[in-house]
Amino acid sequence: GQQLNQSPQSMFIQEGEDVSMNCTSSSIFNTWLWYKQDPGEGPVLLIALYKAGELTSNGRLTAQFGITRKDSFLNISASIPSDVGIYFCAGNPNTNAGKSTFGDGTTLTVKP
Amino acid sequence: NAGVTQTPKFQVLKTGQSMTLQCAQDMNHNSMYWYRQDPGMGLRLIYYSASEGTTDKGEVPNGYNVSRLNKREFSLRLESAAPSQTSVYFCASSDPRGGGTEAFFGQGTRLTVV
Repeated sequence: GQQLNQSPQSMFIQEGEDVSMNCTSSSIFNTWLWYKQDPGEGPVLLIALYKAGELTSNGRLTAQFGITRKDSFLNISASIPSDVGIYFCAGNPNTNAGKSTFGDGTTLTVKP
Repeated sequence: NAGVTQTPKFQVLKTGQSMTLQCAQDMNHNSMYWYRQDPGMGLRLIYYSASEGTTDKGEVPNGYNVSRLNKREFSLRLESAAPSQTSVYFCASSDPRGGGTEAFFGQGTRLTVV
């Protein structure tokens, strides 16, 4: 089946630093999604990407849909303590149907 | 608007016991999903239902059954629980008719099988 490699597995950063994480796939995806999971909660969608090369921002978060359609990147600028959590990428071969494949997550720790 | 509601939030079972995890969504979504989350392994799809009346196996269906009771409700049943099924279970829903694949998740059910 489709596999996603998400890296890094974990990050420990200082408040105010920028963060980058990425996902790569062995297959082409037509949708890339980025979720954040707070402790004890379910994942919440941050950004959805539907077009190769697309660059989308949501506040301090910016995500890009790789031009090959096999990768995606998420950047967080000027991190703050509430950015702590697990970030998941998810890819979908479709643009209008569910059943996305999830990466294993990047655990972010922000030190004040 | 509650979104996706899962019950129970916590459960401890003995090996061999059975139980049903309940999930309901109030967003009129067609598609619903059950995932399990284990440390360091992300979210793995157990079963999904593309629409009312249909269910399909996901990546890790063994040991589970599902029922799409109606458009709102999608339950997950463990017939004979095993320690390997200790995990956090998430239900999710999405509405492909809206032109997207974004899933909305419940808060999870933390299941321990002893």
